[in-house]
Amino acid sequence: DVQLVESGGGLVKPGGSLRLSCAASGFSFSNAWMNWVRQAPGKGLEWVGRSRGKIDGGTADYAAPVKGRFTISRDDSKNTLFLQMTSLKTEDTAVYFCTTELYTTITQWGQGTLVTVSS
Amino acid sequence: QSALTQPPSASGSPGQSVTISCTGTSSDVGGYNYVSWYQQHPGKAPKLMIYDVSKRPSGVPDRFSGSKSGNTASLTVSGLQAEDEADYYCSAYGGRNNPYVFGTGTKVTVL
Repeated sequence: DVQLVESGGGLVKPGGSLRLSCAASGFSFSNAWMNWVRQAPGKGLEWVGRSRGKIDGGTADYAAPVKGRFTISRDDSKNTLFLQMTSLKTEDTAVYFCTTELYTTITQWGQGTLVTVSS
Repeated sequence: QSALTQPPSASGSPGQSVTISCTGTSSDVGGYNYVSWYQQHPGKAPKLMIYDVSKRPSGVPDRFSGSKSGNTASLTVSGLQAEDEADYYCSAYGGRNNPYVFGTGTKVTVL
């Protein structure tokens, strides 16, 4: 079974940085396309960014609100996806979900990790 | 890119049907047959219920069905059950620079 376990969330001040991790198992991670999706408290879902699998170049795309501040990377040897977040703003407060993607569909979701940006 | 528009709420009695709409533009819902629907119970992760407009993943009951006409997609839940009470979100492919556009969400209540 596919398992995605996020970690690294917490309380950070505006302007600060945080790195989230997503430990994946149950599928071939290195060639998998992976995404980060967030959900602000009481709000809807928002796509953050995606990482292509190794066979497709391993490059990343980002949503406009986070481009230039967030970086997605991966360690295929450890089946782990990362989200490095810098210059954090209060509006980045959300639960961050790690997801798998298959043929233009987000398929599996982790349980999420809460990031709170507040002074 | 703006979120897709869904009604804030929908409801039905057990056994009845409820249909949720998801309205976008020709750049997302209307432009591709890549519309998905997700169910989210409080405090839980979303779960994929429908993909590619009308396909059901293994394990999803056939009470859930999807369709699309023009720039509007729809999710129908037939034979409502108590466990169907949840938030539902649509998602559509919005092009290479914004591959996933989500809907505003609909809270389904089973009366």
